[in-house]
Amino acid sequence: QSVLTQPPSVSGAPGQRVTIPCTGSSSNIGAGHEVHWYQQLPGTAPKLLIYGDSFRPSGVPDRFSGSKSGTSASLAITGLQAEDEADYYCQSYDSGLSGSYVFGTGTKVTVL
Amino acid sequence: EGQLVESGGGLVQPGGSLRLSCAASGFTFNYFWMTWVRQAPGKGLEWVASVKQDGVEKYYVDSVKGRFTISRDNSRNSLSLQLSSLRADDTAVYYCSRARKDCSGGNCYLDYWGQGTLVTVSS
Repeated sequence: QSVLTQPPSVSGAPGQRVTIPCTGSSSNIGAGHEVHWYQQLPGTAPKLLIYGDSFRPSGVPDRFSGSKSGTSASLAITGLQAEDEADYYCQSYDSGLSGSYVFGTGTKVTVL
Repeated sequence: EGQLVESGGGLVQPGGSLRLSCAASGFTFNYFWMTWVRQAPGKGLEWVASVKQDGVEKYYVDSVKGRFTISRDNSRNSLSLQLSSLRADDTAVYYCSRARKDCSGGNCYLDYWGQGTLVTVSS
């Protein structure tokens, strides 16, 4: 069971805005550790989407944005497109007992 | 553009061993921490192990400590993961990835990923 919780699924029509929350705690996101986001298209390896809470790597469309507040982070996709249908994972560091890098539980985005 | 290519996956019996390899190209390998991440069938991602540029500092998730060993050969731009005492719950696709920032600082992330290699532990 991951220490970063995401909803199993979200959906939206083309052109709509969807958000994916990543809920953590005082030992990870709330401790100031950065949050990063990955997109995994069906049958492929994950791809870095957002790093350092809110920065986009070169080539990632500005429809994707990240934010963080308190013990939670969020990924927003505006102008949803069919090609955005994928699994999305947040990632951070948990400075609990043994310290570990952790991924969120993952969210499947469906474009209606 | 960096490229990572994993190999070495396959079917192994419980209690057995396997060695995964990752060939890196297109970037200066010895500048970066390197990491293995795994994904069980139909499940989410799990950070398995990371190794610093010098190959000395290493990090492991608790579930693999004492069973898996990460190593690197900077002269060959190669990353390895030795898997031992394998269990059914080690069955997964194993991804090699490049880490950005200092992973000992708690803020590293993964910007290049290989295509993955499947390890199946079954009798």
